[in-house]
Amino acid sequence: EAAVTQSPRNKVTVTGGNVTLSCRQTNSHNYMYWYRQDTGHGLRLIHYSYGAGNLQIGDVPDGYKATRTTQEDFFLLLELASPSQTSLYFCASSGGQGTDTGQLYFGEGSKLTVL
Amino acid sequence: GDSVTQTEGQVTVSESKSLIINCTYSATSIAYPNLFWYVRYPGEGLQLLLKVITAGQKGSSRGFEATYNKETTSFHLQKASVQESDSAVYYCALRSDTNAYKVIFGKGTHLHVLP
Repeated sequence: EAAVTQSPRNKVTVTGGNVTLSCRQTNSHNYMYWYRQDTGHGLRLIHYSYGAGNLQIGDVPDGYKATRTTQEDFFLLLELASPSQTSLYFCASSGGQGTDTGQLYFGEGSKLTVL
Repeated sequence: GDSVTQTEGQVTVSESKSLIINCTYSATSIAYPNLFWYVRYPGEGLQLLLKVITAGQKGSSRGFEATYNKETTSFHLQKASVQESDSAVYYCALRSDTNAYKVIFGKGTHLHVLP
C-alpha cells in the first residue's frame, strides 16, 4: 500500500514566523506535490517536483518555497508566515512512469494556523 | 488553462436516496484528459474513489459510478442509494496531456447524508 506521511499534523505559529512542513513517501514515486485546501477553493497546487533537486511552480506559489532533497522527501517552507496561509496542506505522490494514469496518493494533511 | 468545475459546494441527501454530484471540465490539450473522483472522509487524507482514462468509458467503485462524456465534457458522480457512511467531501480532478503530471482539482462537494 502506498504511503505518504506528513509532519507536523498540526502547527500554530504567529505572523512572520518560519514554518517547515515535511512529507515523506515510501512508494518509490517520482512525482511529489504540495496542495493547500480551503473551503470554497478546493485543492490548489502550490509546488511539485519530479525528482530530487527538481522543483516546479504550481498555481499558487507566492509566499512558499519548496525543496526536494531526496526521492522520498519533499518540504514546504513558509519563511514569513501570514494569516492568509492558514490552511490545510496536503502532500501527495504519483508514479510518473510511462503508464502512470496520474493517480495521486495523499498524506493525511497538515493543519497550519497563522495567528 | 485546464479547469474543473463542481457547481455544488454542499449536497444533502437522505439515506437510501439517489445522488448525483456534477463535474464538468475544460482541457486545453487536443487529447482527452484522465479523469478522477477523490473522496476525503472526516479526519483523513484524500483517497481515490474511481478513475477513467478513456473517453466514453464508465468507472465504478463502492456503488459509485461516473461516465466520461467527451461531448458534454462532464464526469458526474452518481450513486443509486446513499448511506450515512458516504458523508464526505468529493473532489473531481483531471490530468491533461499539456502537463502530464499536473493534476487539477475542482472545489469539492460536501455530501451530507441524513439518517
